[in-house]
Amino acid sequence: EVQLVETGGGLVQPGKSLKLTCATSGFTFSTAWMHWVRQSPEKRLEWIARIKDKSNNYATDYVESVKGRFTISRDDSKSSVYLQMNSLKEEDTATYYCLSMGYWGQGVMVTVSS
Amino acid sequence: NTVMTQSPTSMFTSVGDRVTMSCKASQNVGINVGWYQQKTGQSPKRLIYWASNRDTGVPDRFTGSGSGTDFTLTISNMQAEDPAIYYCLQHNSYPHTFGAGTKLELK
Repeated sequence: EVQLVETGGGLVQPGKSLKLTCATSGFTFSTAWMHWVRQSPEKRLEWIARIKDKSNNYATDYVESVKGRFTISRDDSKSSVYLQMNSLKEEDTATYYCLSMGYWGQGVMVTVSS
Repeated sequence: NTVMTQSPTSMFTSVGDRVTMSCKASQNVGINVGWYQQKTGQSPKRLIYWASNRDTGVPDRFTGSGSGTDFTLTISNMQAEDPAIYYCLQHNSYPHTFGAGTKLELK
């Protein structure tokens, strides 16, 4: 059974940092391209980042709104993908999902507020 | 960026109805479109990939069609468990982009 479990969310002040972790199982993680998507409180979905596999040099892509602030990374030995979020803004408040091959995690909430 | 425009924004339907919703891309995305169903309190679940391929376990009342810029999701026989928000996603180019969703409710 494919499982993706996100952790690391919470309440953080504007300008601070947070790191999300997505632990996976049930599929061959090392060859999977992994994505992060977020959903605003208004239910709008936004794709934010992708990391390819080793054979594709772990290439990354980001949506413009998070470029330079967010970093996606992975550890194939732990079947995990990460999202380092720096310089957080109130508009980053959302539920963050990791996904791959059509499978989604349960999501983790991030609230940016003073 | 490719804008995905979904319509209608919301709709009310009855059990047994045939339901059709639309997703229009601002540029050609080929068949690189998926449809997702999100029920209240749950994560989105993919129903359709590559515009018309049903995911494993998805009832055959769900049908996706289209290519290029115009895509459709059809529910042939609305069931009580189908109320949800339905989203389309294009993965033809980065950034991938979602439509704003169609909220489907029972009368």
